[in-house]
Amino acid sequence: SYVLTQPPSVSVAPGQTATVTCEKNNIGIKSVHWYQQKPGQAPVLVVYDDNDRPSGIPERFSGSNSGSTATLTISRVEAGDEADYYCQVWDSTRDHVLFGGGTKLTVL
Amino acid sequence: EVLLLESGGGLVQPGGSLRLSCVASGFTFSTYAMTWVRQSPGKRLEWVSFISASGGSTYDADSVKGRFIISRDNSQNTLFLQMNSLRVDDTAIYFCARLKSHQSRAFDYWGQGTLVAVSS
Repeated sequence: SYVLTQPPSVSVAPGQTATVTCEKNNIGIKSVHWYQQKPGQAPVLVVYDDNDRPSGIPERFSGSNSGSTATLTISRVEAGDEADYYCQVWDSTRDHVLFGGGTKLTVL
Repeated sequence: EVLLLESGGGLVQPGGSLRLSCVASGFTFSTYAMTWVRQSPGKRLEWVSFISASGGSTYDADSVKGRFIISRDNSQNTLFLQMNSLRVDDTAIYFCARLKSHQSRAFDYWGQGTLVAVSS
């Protein structure tokens, strides 16, 4: 099965840079999308197509994707960035949508 | 403003059925593919089903194949999920979401979700 592996948790101090990874062999050939989900809320798209941002998403959110690892980078982390983050790809071989296991970002 | 509003959730016994609805507004519904995603309490997001803009193509996760049916009524701007033979592990919040574009298979707008609880 096509499994996307994320670290369960990441911790970072305010003002520092947080990186959330999403791993799968050859994920670099896929377009990866990232969602932010705060408790009790619906997911919000923060990065799509590896490194594009929807309107309204701060420039502090960026992404990259190469080889076997896609990365969401959050610069100058703020308390309000504390949330769960999920990566997602489209598995074109099966026409299925895949989500990573999610990463809980804690702002210290 | 794009809005997606789910309804139809509730408490149902194992083996029962429910029909979820998602009413869309603020965009031309008939030109966007849509999907259902669920999230069990404290768990990760799990994709459920996908339907093309016309409704001519549908895809389902293995966990719901043969039990759930996704459909849409473009004249009513509404997405549906017919859930049959429900199991305890189908308990989750069910979200509907819009596919950003055929080229970018990300989901750019989500509803707030409707809770489905399967229990005897």
